[in-house]
Amino acid sequence: SYVLTQPPSVSVAPGQTATITCGGNNIGSKSVHWYQQKPGQAPVMVIYYDYARPSGIPERFSGSNSGNTATLTISRVEAGDEADYYCQVWDSSSYHLGVFGTGTKVTVL
Amino acid sequence: EELLVESGGLLAQPGGSLRLSCAASGFPFRSYEMNWVRQAPGRGLEWVSYISESGSPIYYADSVKGRFIISRDNAKNLLYLQMNSLRVDDTAVYYCARNHDDGDAFDLWGQGTMVTVSS
Repeated sequence: SYVLTQPPSVSVAPGQTATITCGGNNIGSKSVHWYQQKPGQAPVMVIYYDYARPSGIPERFSGSNSGNTATLTISRVEAGDEADYYCQVWDSSSYHLGVFGTGTKVTVL
Repeated sequence: EELLVESGGLLAQPGGSLRLSCAASGFPFRSYEMNWVRQAPGRGLEWVSYISESGSPIYYADSVKGRFIISRDNAKNLLYLQMNSLRVDDTAVYYCARNHDDGDAFDLWGQGTMVTVSS
């Protein structure tokens, strides 16, 4: 089955840039989506189709995808960005499966 | 306002059954693909099942295949997950999630319903 690997944690000071990676075999050939989940809350989509931002998501959130790594970048980090972040793809290679990454805890120092 | 509201989460015994429901409102439910996603306590997100707008095709994660059944009632704006042969490791918050109308991102989530499987 397809595996997506994320760093368990990322720490960043307010105002700085947080970079969260999502590694997968030839992930650049797939569409990657990203979700933010705060404690006790449901996930919220923050990036879809590699780099598109849903309405209401700040421009500080951006995404890219190439080769074996997709990246979520949060610029000018704020305290409210502290959350768990998950990447996700749909794997249709042999069967149709939704696949989530292992998740990254972003801590704002 | 577009909303998904799950219900049906309970304490169940290993080997037992439960049916979860997800009520949709504020959007044309019959036009959207839907999913169930779960999250065990302290763990990450796990996709469980998918159903198309019409009810076919349907897909399942290997961990639930043969035990869980996803279905929908477009006339009632309801999504279901019939959970049979429950195991302790099925304990999780279960979310229903809508597919974005351009494909396979999950753009709308419910608040979740807790299922606990324990003797």
